[in-house]
Amino acid sequence: QVQLKETGPGLVQPTQTLSITCTVSGFSLTSYYMQWVRQTPGKGLEWMGFIRSGGSTEYNSEFKSRLSISRDTSKNQVFLKMNSLKTEDTGVYYCAREAYYYYDGTYYYVMDAWGQGASVTVSS
Amino acid sequence: DIVLTQSPALAVSLGQRATISCRASESVRSSMHWYQQKSGQQPKLLIYGASNLASGVPARFSGSGSGTDFTFTIDPVEADDIATYYCQQSRNDHTFGAGTKLELK
Repeated sequence: QVQLKETGPGLVQPTQTLSITCTVSGFSLTSYYMQWVRQTPGKGLEWMGFIRSGGSTEYNSEFKSRLSISRDTSKNQVFLKMNSLKTEDTGVYYCAREAYYYYDGTYYYVMDAWGQGASVTVSS
Repeated sequence: DIVLTQSPALAVSLGQRATISCRASESVRSSMHWYQQKSGQQPKLLIYGASNLASGVPARFSGSGSGTDFTFTIDPVEADDIATYYCQQSRNDHTFGAGTKLELK
């Protein structure tokens, strides 16, 4: 059974660093890309970045300067760290598994399993 | 970045058809997917590749389109379908539409 669960601090002060852990079960991090998506009142759902099954990363240019995604495969965990937090970063942060489907000659990359989300409030 | 435009809300009656549109700012070919998000829950994949039903998704959900114009349909609408529906493209990175909130008339 595929499961993902985010754990985070809940409240972070402006200018500080956000750290969220996504713990997965039912599949291997070395077989799937893992995505981070956030949902904020101001911008809705935003793709933040991913870590490939091989361990390399890609980031949305909007977050690239302050975002880091890493993992510990031995613990089945993926980590998000984002610095220089602002009040606009308040929202729910999701980790999601990326799967690919092949149909009619094309590969489609979708987020087929999501965690329940970690709610983050940026406030002093 | 590819921008996806959805209408913000749609009111339907139970048992009727609901049709939600999504327009992309440039062609995404068929790399458009649809998610359902109920209040307080995470998104759930319903449709991938514009028209393919994800595993376990009821056949009353369907999708169509290619290029820049896509449609998501629920027919017939059931009470459990009340949620917000998002389109998402994976042609160039990933972007989501702002969501269409499905409401009951």
